[in-house]
Amino acid sequence: GQNIDQPTEMTATEGAIVQINCTYQTSGFNGLFWYQQHAGEAPTFLSYNVLDGLEEKGRFSSFLSRSKGYSYLLLKELQMKDSASYLCAVTGGSYIPTFGRGTSLIVHP
Amino acid sequence: DGGITQSPKYLFRKEGQNVTLSCEQNLNHDAMYWYRQDPGQGLRLIYYSQIVNDFQKGDIAEGYSVSREKKESFPLTVTSAQKNPTAFYLCASRTGSYQPQHFGDGTRLSIL
Repeated sequence: GQNIDQPTEMTATEGAIVQINCTYQTSGFNGLFWYQQHAGEAPTFLSYNVLDGLEEKGRFSSFLSRSKGYSYLLLKELQMKDSASYLCAVTGGSYIPTFGRGTSLIVHP
Repeated sequence: DGGITQSPKYLFRKEGQNVTLSCEQNLNHDAMYWYRQDPGQGLRLIYYSQIVNDFQKGDIAEGYSVSREKKESFPLTVTSAQKNPTAFYLCASRTGSYQPQHFGDGTRLSIL
């Protein structure tokens, strides 16, 4: 089976940087995805990591350490529209993604 | 424009009734998925299909059924055996195991 852990809720200030962590235990590993989901809407893809290291995409970066079973999503220059849930999904040996419970990020002025 | 269409957006179910949620994609994706989302629970996998005429149970398949007769379509039936069906249902598809999933806008199901 798979076990994925994320913080339930985080708050941050507009313009700041926030790091959302995801730890996982899985049999086999074939990649980790990050999605953003605004309330009542569909999740949208942010990033994918399959090798160790940092992937940067504009204001968003994602890091993976396979040996530690650990990933983080880094959001820079926070904007109010970044208030959303952030979902970590791990693909194990079955190649079927398993989602964590998501982290609700609240950005305040 | 290519995408995934779920309908209806809102659905109400009476006691003892089966209801079917529609999911259609024109992305030419082989794999399709159904998830259920409850508050604070994240996405839980109900059923998935990697290819036409084949589908597999996910983690919470009891009380649900699916079919995959066409590549574009993956309808989900919530049967009367599902005693707690109130949730947000999301359909997704993707082209391969290392690709991200594309999601529909979801169907919110409630009990009357």
